Amino acid sequence: GAGVSQSPRYKVAKRGQDVALRCDPISGHVSLFWYQQALGQGPEFLTYFQNEAQLDKSGLPSDRFFAERPEGSVSTLKIQRTQQEDSAVYLCASSYRGAKNIQYFGAGTRLSVL
Amino acid sequence: RKEVEQDPGPFNVPEGATVAFNCTYSNSASQSFFWYRQDCRKEPKLLMSVYSSGNEDGRFTAQLNRASQYISLLIRDSKLSDSATYLCVYRSNDYKLSFGAGTTVTVRA
Repeated sequence: GAGVSQSPRYKVAKRGQDVALRCDPISGHVSLFWYQQALGQGPEFLTYFQNEAQLDKSGLPSDRFFAERPEGSVSTLKIQRTQQEDSAVYLCASSYRGAKNIQYFGAGTRLSVL
Repeated sequence: RKEVEQDPGPFNVPEGATVAFNCTYSNSASQSFFWYRQDCRKEPKLLMSVYSSGNEDGRFTAQLNRASQYISLLIRDSKLSDSATYLCVYRSNDYKLSFGAGTTVTVRA
């Protein structure tokens, strides 16, 4: 079946631009996660949804970062007024039912802020 | 101090060799442990869970030492296709995964 789908795969933004990154989780997966992976580092947790409820946003680096999942399926990560330090790969993961289940990752969106 | 520390490598080994590496973690409340594999410019994929009693999955053996707070991964009879970055991961609560920076393994012909 289809895996986690993310779009766009690549995004180049000028500093100060707003960007929106999309994640389509595996159908039926209740839990959805966003991670940020800087070059040469492991993924860092950003936020977690269970259905449409955002249960943890403790990893969001600043108030410029905002995530939503209004209908409990597709999620969007929005970054306002992008800065160079926001350049990273943004990974989305989903898991079936309980969040303790295996997290399946999408291929990510590679964001470059110039 | 990072929550998960890994030797970044690279470990450069010939086909058929055995390679092993560890990671250490600082959060003693860590509940579950995993090794993920990440190929260049690809997403992380679960390789195997790690249990205190040690577990094998084919050529891969994982071990957890809670007293010393480290986990290990051993790859026997290395294949070219094993070349990747191996991420040490733990879950400290019901959902949040904490990743190490990864250990790079390159298997040469």
